[in-house]
Amino acid sequence: GAVVSQHPSWVICKSGTSVKIECRSLDFQATTMFWYRQFPKQSLMLMATSNEGSKATYEQGVEKDKFLINHASLTLSTLTVTSAHPEDSSFYICSARDFLAQSSYNEQFFGPGTRLTVL
Amino acid sequence: AQRVTQPEKLLSVFKGAPVELKCNYSYSGSPELFWYVQYSRQRLQLLLRHISRESIKGFTADLNKGETSFHLKKPFAQEEDSAMYYCALDAGGTSYGKLTFGQGTILTVHP
Repeated sequence: GAVVSQHPSWVICKSGTSVKIECRSLDFQATTMFWYRQFPKQSLMLMATSNEGSKATYEQGVEKDKFLINHASLTLSTLTVTSAHPEDSSFYICSARDFLAQSSYNEQFFGPGTRLTVL
Repeated sequence: AQRVTQPEKLLSVFKGAPVELKCNYSYSGSPELFWYVQYSRQRLQLLLRHISRESIKGFTADLNKGETSFHLKKPFAQEEDSAMYYCALDAGGTSYGKLTFGQGTILTVHP
């Protein structure tokens, strides 16, 4: 099946610094990628939809200036948490849809997630 | 706005017993419903979707539009079924592809 990778798998940073998380589709092209956030023992919350070659669309309540998303190619989307603070500590998960899939529903494939801890 | 509710955070059964993980949704349109599973230390993966009406690993789920439910069932649970299960909804239209997840249910199957 299709594989989505994320890098790094975990990161610890100081408050005020920026952190970039990469999401890659390894064996397929993804015009659309999604970024989710998951708090401990809670569900996944969609943060934004990343569209290749255009601006990301953010869900209500998500600060676009705080969470910068870039989808520069069909296989890579990046999420940058700017001026990170302890409350940004969370598990960030991306997913990608196979643009060329022939199925009636373009299944989403999830990355393994990135654990961000802001001190 | 759409919403997905999984009323049970934890569910424990013994091997060979039937299991049902409940999922209810609220949405005024015709959504697509999914079950995702996350095994220990693995990533989230699709288990099944209502449009395909298939059985995966012995699990089935029927969309009941009258009760707005999409419960996941398996007649004989196995230890390897122990995992976190998420019910998810795709509202379609301009929100196509955007998934709304339930809170998740941790299923533990005891030997």
